[in-house]
Amino acid sequence: DAKTTQPTSMDCAEGRAANLPCNHSTISGNEYVYWYRQIHSQGPQYIIHGLKNNETNEMASLIITEDRKSSTLILPHATLRDTAVYYCIVAGGTSYGKLTFGQGTILTVHP
Amino acid sequence: GAVVSQHPSWVICKSGTSVKIECRSLDFQATTMFWYRQFPKQSLMLMATSNEGSKATYEQGVEKDKFLINHASLTLSTLTVTSAHPEDSSFYICSAFRDRVNSPLHFGNGTRLTVT
Repeated sequence: DAKTTQPTSMDCAEGRAANLPCNHSTISGNEYVYWYRQIHSQGPQYIIHGLKNNETNEMASLIITEDRKSSTLILPHATLRDTAVYYCIVAGGTSYGKLTFGQGTILTVHP
Repeated sequence: GAVVSQHPSWVICKSGTSVKIECRSLDFQATTMFWYRQFPKQSLMLMATSNEGSKATYEQGVEKDKFLINHASLTLSTLTVTSAHPEDSSFYICSAFRDRVNSPLHFGNGTRLTVT
């Protein structure tokens, strides 16, 4: 699986949009970009995923650059409960399911 | 709501005993489930892939005789930590995905194992 690079930590004010970047310059054609988050002492929670088009669901939006070498997860109106570690993972093909978790981005939402 | 259920949420056992952790897919059948482990302040690491009706495959460095995996049905996989030692204390998390290409992987809420 391609490796991803994320900032170690980010801060965001409650009610504002949180934009979490991820670089995946070695992504291959059949690999998707997945975002998960992990709140302390819980299992990871799936947020969103995409291949090359931008995606939106009830939790977030995913913007993938045209060359697919980077992406941004957008939480449109961050709340205190969005404080978590956010993982950007690329996976696909026969290795799917064997997700490689990096260190992720610690997002802290403050009042 | 949760689509993967894990039990127990936490367990404390004495050194030398065995502990079984259950992972269930709640509203779908999972021919494959994955077991991860997370030590404090570290990221998740894949331990093994559980295959329904066949042997599990283990990642390099994971002892198959110590971490016994049974996937006897399409909705249940179990991980047994045999002869547990304090260094096995960790957060164990299972996951599964619906059998659709590139569908998201869903995780259980994890089991906190403490070996005293």
